[in-house]
Amino acid sequence: GQQLNQSPQSMFIQEGEDVSMNCTSSSIFNTWLWYKQEPGEGPVLLIALYKAGELTSNGRLTAQFGITRKDSFLNISASIPSDVGIYFCAGLPSGYNTDKLIFGTGTRLQVFP
Amino acid sequence: DAGVIQSPRHEVTEMGQEVTLRCKPISGHDYLFWYRQTMMRGLELLIYFNNNVPIDDSGMPEDRFSAKMPNASFSTLKIQPSEPRDSAVYFCASSGIAGDYEQYFGPGTRLTVT
Repeated sequence: GQQLNQSPQSMFIQEGEDVSMNCTSSSIFNTWLWYKQEPGEGPVLLIALYKAGELTSNGRLTAQFGITRKDSFLNISASIPSDVGIYFCAGLPSGYNTDKLIFGTGTRLQVFP
Repeated sequence: DAGVIQSPRHEVTEMGQEVTLRCKPISGHDYLFWYRQTMMRGLELLIYFNNNVPIDDSGMPEDRFSAKMPNASFSTLKIQPSEPRDSAVYFCASSGIAGDYEQYFGPGTRLTVT
């Protein structure tokens, strides 16, 4: 079945640094979504991507839909303490008549002042 | 604008008791999803509805779990009887029309079964 591998599993960075994380699969996806989850809360949608090669920004966040359609990347520039949380990628697999998203296992981000 | 609303936020119950979790999706959304999140298994889709009709319940663990959506603004997830291994955070999410895959999550219900 389809699986999404996120890396790194965790990151410990200093405030002000840039962050990069990615999500990969052996299968092709039609849609990529990036979510952030803070403790005690539900995942919050950050960015949605619908076309291969698409690059979309949301403030300091930028995400890209990989050209092979098997991966996606999320970058955070100039990190701040409130960026702390778990970042999940989610994708809609190609070739399946479904609305079910596949979720990655998450990248846990810690930002130190 | 109100987001997805879930109740209760926390539920502690004893093994064998019935548990009912409630969800109100975003108004106008056609899709409603129930997820379970644990450290071991991550985020798992249990069931989803389109226009109040269950479409895929393949993620429902067993017959002890059931979900209903009697109208467009309300859904329930019931566990009867509950077991300690059901302890998890249960999320409800909704999304708009067909082809709009952006799911919006509620704050979750943290269930503890002792």
